[in-house]
Amino acid sequence: EVQLVESGGGLVQPGGSLRLSCTASGFTVRSNFMSWVRLAPGKGLEWVSIIYDGGSTYYEDSVKGRFTISRDTSKNTLYLQMNSLRAEDTAVYYCARLIPPAHFDSWGQGALVTVSS
Amino acid sequence: QSALTQPRSVSGSPGQSVTISCTGTSSDVGGYRYVSWYQLHPGKAPKLMIYDVTKRPSGVPDRFSGSKSGNTASLTISGLQAEDETDYYCCSYAGSYSYVFGSGTKVTVL
Repeated sequence: EVQLVESGGGLVQPGGSLRLSCTASGFTVRSNFMSWVRLAPGKGLEWVSIIYDGGSTYYEDSVKGRFTISRDTSKNTLYLQMNSLRAEDTAVYYCARLIPPAHFDSWGQGALVTVSS
Repeated sequence: QSALTQPRSVSGSPGQSVTISCTGTSSDVGGYRYVSWYQLHPGKAPKLMIYDVTKRPSGVPDRFSGSKSGNTASLTISGLQAEDETDYYCCSYAGSYSYVFGSGTKVTVL
């Protein structure tokens, strides 16, 4: 059974950093396209970043230069390193598997990130 | 990249049909046959309902169907049931290895 479990969320001050983890089971992270999507309070879903099976990475414009997506094949885990956090980054962050060309077939339950002083 | 436009809410009585629209541009919805729809129940993982405009994953009731015309995609729920009451989001490939979601629609079963 495919399962994704996020961890690492919490409260952080503006300008701070946080690293989210997403541990996968039932499939291999390295062989799949993996993404982060967020849901901010009162707003809709927003695609954040993706890492392709070959290792190429892409980001939504507002997080470029601040967020880094990566993976650890030995732990079958996806990460999102978030630096220079802003209040508008407050959201529930979901990891999701993308099936090419363009649909997310499996999702985690989400990790809440709150950026506030 | 601007969010795709969805109605804030739609409603219907049990057994009726409701349709949620998802309007984008020729750079996303209109440019690709890669529109998908997701159901979000609070506190639960989002669930894929429709992909590639019209395809339904196994396990999704055939009451859910998708279509597209020009820059607007649609999700129709036929035979509305109480458990369908929640939020729905569309998503489209937007080129240049990016993806864009809709603003979200709350479905209410009267």
